[in-house]
Amino acid sequence: KAGVTQTPRYLIKTRGQQVTLSCSPISGHRSVSWYQQTPGQGLQFLFEYFSETQRNKGNFPGRFSGRQFSNSRSEMNVSTLELGDSALYLCASSRDPNTGELFFGEGSRLTVL
Amino acid sequence: DAKTTQPNSMESNEEEPVHLPCNHSTISGTDYIHWYRQLPSQGPEYVIHGLTSNVNNRMASLAIAEDRKSSTLILHRATLRDAAVYYCILRDDWGYGGSQGNLIFGKGTKLSVKP
Repeated sequence: KAGVTQTPRYLIKTRGQQVTLSCSPISGHRSVSWYQQTPGQGLQFLFEYFSETQRNKGNFPGRFSGRQFSNSRSEMNVSTLELGDSALYLCASSRDPNTGELFFGEGSRLTVL
Repeated sequence: DAKTTQPNSMESNEEEPVHLPCNHSTISGTDYIHWYRQLPSQGPEYVIHGLTSNVNNRMASLAIAEDRKSSTLILHRATLRDAAVYYCILRDDWGYGGSQGNLIFGKGTKLSVKP
């Protein structure tokens, strides 16, 4: 079956712009979570959605937001981009939010100039 | 903060077994031990998880200490494709700790495999 699909895979933005990243989970998976990966901070949790509701949020500023649609697809948005937002943004899905393994996509690599 | 401690890096020879250690002295009774790995230029990939008993699957084995304060991921025959960063993560799979989508990753162990 198809894995987690993230689009776009690569993008370049300038400071002050905003960006929207998309994630399509594995069919049947209703839980989607987002992570930011940078060389300095490693993998950090951003937020998690289940049935269109945000269940948990990591320690990121309000410029980072997300949502989940009724078909379980999710988007995350970063407004007023800063240089430090350059990172690999990873989406993961799971069938059950309370247990089981997470399936990660290949990520969206954002470069902010 | 990550609740596990792993060596920064390890080396192995191809086709030899690899034992990747993880210390988690503050583990709670409801914490499962999860292992993920991240190959270069890819997202993390689930490897194995367990609670108390040793676990085996097609990818690896997980040996859990009797007091659960440490565990070891065992790759029985390392291949070049196993070169990756391996993350040991504790997660409350029973739900008492909150959202389970929230994996707290540490720095992991970078495994190098020599041909």
